[in-house]
Amino acid sequence: QVQLVQSGAEVKKPGASVKVSCKASGYTFTSYGISWVRQAPGQGLEWMGWISAYNGNTNYAQKLQGRVTMTTDTSTSTAYMELRSLRSDDTAVYYCARDRVVTPDYFDYWGQGTLVTVSS
Amino acid sequence: SYELTQPPSVSVSPGQTARITCSGDALPKQYAYWYQQKPGQAPVLVIYKDSERPSGIPERFSGSSSGTTVTLTISGVQAEDEADYYCQSADSSGTYGGVFGGGTKLTVL
Repeated sequence: QVQLVQSGAEVKKPGASVKVSCKASGYTFTSYGISWVRQAPGQGLEWMGWISAYNGNTNYAQKLQGRVTMTTDTSTSTAYMELRSLRSDDTAVYYCARDRVVTPDYFDYWGQGTLVTVSS
Repeated sequence: SYELTQPPSVSVSPGQTARITCSGDALPKQYAYWYQQKPGQAPVLVIYKDSERPSGIPERFSGSSSGTTVTLTISGVQAEDEADYYCQSADSSGTYGGVFGGGTKLTVL
């Protein structure tokens, strides 16, 4: 069965960076992409960006351009999302989700979420 | 920036039909997707490409599209359907920026 297992909760200070991992299993990793979606406390869902696990192509949300980097390690079927220059409003649950391989489209399986707390 | 508009809340009694709408200018050209999210859990895809149902999703969940509005319909609502529901689509330019609606809280009375 398809599973996406994310790394554990993080607490970071403003200005720091965080890197969240997402290990995939149960499907051919390079036949799909991975999107990252975050959810601030009590708020809705916000798409952050996408990476193709086939060729590494990326597409980032405009508001995060320059602060976010998404990568994959095909040898371990793991996707990573790094967010830099953290601010308090980056406090959120971060989800990875399986997406299409050629272009971001929709999310059929989701990880369990990783809480990132930004606080001084 | 492109927006999808959902009602903040919908309430129905068990066994009734719930309809949750999502409006956006690009919806005649772009597919819509629907996700269910229960408290403390990750979202679950319940409808894709306007009206397709993933395997494992109960038949009482259906989707439809008309012009700039898409609708998620839950027939014979059960208590377990109480959740937040989000629509998702892309803008008309085809330059994908994943866009979510603000979410609708479905309350089963």
